[in-house]
Amino acid sequence: NAGVTQTPKFQVLKTGQSMTLQCAQDMNHEYMSWYRQDPGMGLRLIHYSVGAGITDQGEVPNGYNVSRSTTEDFPLRLLSAAPSQTSVYFCASSSLQGVAEKLFFGSGTQLSVL
Amino acid sequence: AQSVTQPDIHITVSEGASLELRCNYSYGATPYLFWYVQSPGQGLQLLLKYFSGDTLVQGIKGFEAEFKRSQSSFNLRKPSVHWSDAAEYFCALFMDSNYQLIWGAGTKLIIKP
Repeated sequence: NAGVTQTPKFQVLKTGQSMTLQCAQDMNHEYMSWYRQDPGMGLRLIHYSVGAGITDQGEVPNGYNVSRSTTEDFPLRLLSAAPSQTSVYFCASSSLQGVAEKLFFGSGTQLSVL
Repeated sequence: AQSVTQPDIHITVSEGASLELRCNYSYGATPYLFWYVQSPGQGLQLLLKYFSGDTLVQGIKGFEAEFKRSQSSFNLRKPSVHWSDAAEYFCALFMDSNYQLIWGAGTKLIIKP
């Protein structure tokens, strides 16, 4: 049982480049989400999904797109990377009943935008 | 607006001493509150949670937290810290209306030998 798998673990981009952070879970979780973690600011929700075909914005959605075509996958797209998007990104999933108490986190992606 | 505040960015405690990490929240409805711990280079692990009922909740690794509605607080405590407790601790508030978790900025715990 792999849990939540995030790829890549590290990425360096130049300003203006695009990329997709991948997130996959094998627990049949309805809920998936993306957070960014910055020093002194804790985790901030970027986008989340409560099921295939359903996505919604979180606290800091600008500059990021998501889609949820399957239950398992929830990719995060940076269309035109900016230095302000340098951060550590975490994907998390849970059942809808367990969003509060049983959130499974991926191992994180450290992204640097030069 | 809903928010979670952790007033202390860093706390330094001697090994064996007691610990209290502060968390204050702002939310108009019944809060669902959590404490998570993140060790260096690691993901987040749930320490404990409060949904309702007993206001003193027990968690893993010997931690406990007390919910005080009158003070809008959910402080984390441990009677005697170990060097392995050095980590960053996050308080979080769950809003069941939109499935969002609001996180505090975190408190970094440093343990003195």
